[in-house]
Amino acid sequence: AQKVTQAQTEISVVEKEDVTLDCVYETRDTTYYLFWYKQPPSGELVFLIRRNSFDEQNEISGRYSWNFQKSTSSFNFTITASQVVDSAVYFCALSEAWRGSTLGRLYFGRGTQLTVWP
Amino acid sequence: NAGVTQTPKFRILKIGQSMTLQCTQDMNHNYMYWYRQDPGMGLKLIYYSVGAGITDKGEVPNGYNVSRSTTEDFPLRLELAAPSQTSVYFCASSSPGQGLVYEQYFGPGTRLTVT
Repeated sequence: AQKVTQAQTEISVVEKEDVTLDCVYETRDTTYYLFWYKQPPSGELVFLIRRNSFDEQNEISGRYSWNFQKSTSSFNFTITASQVVDSAVYFCALSEAWRGSTLGRLYFGRGTQLTVWP
Repeated sequence: NAGVTQTPKFRILKIGQSMTLQCTQDMNHNYMYWYRQDPGMGLKLIYYSVGAGITDKGEVPNGYNVSRSTTEDFPLRLELAAPSQTSVYFCASSSPGQGLVYEQYFGPGTRLTVT
């Protein structure tokens, strides 16, 4: 069963618009971790944020913010005042605390291609 | 620190050929992983290792083998390459935290085409 769903395959916005990328996850574990990664056109994967299941506080880092809601199993990512450099594929990923270990077996969503036009 | 390095960056193989994708990390991470990324898809775990001498299968291990003789290196072996193995391969590493799962650091990837 798919564990992470990113329903938005592609999003296009014009520079300075706000944009929200959706992520819905599925897990039976009570302890788990959620991640967002950015993959720019150059192809590397850049870590953005990690959140564990016990911390539902929203987080803001500059123009980036994340909204974690356990009630809806969602971990959405908002970019405020988008810029052309934000154009990339964004992946949401889930890691269950597998057998209580600290080994992170990541389950990735299919990614959302964000294009920001000047 | 170079982080996670992978070689080669690109490779074209003929069906039935074999090759090894190299992965090295200099962060002294115990955990290492191999993923493949197919077009329009997220990454899928091929193999992982929790330390030197210990490896295990991920979601899509068929057609691949790994070994982990040192903390730094985690090569991925493709035997009898098939077109279905055309993909971008990423190696990653992470550190076992104090009861926490930490983020994985990824290499730049190897783009493999099998024809």
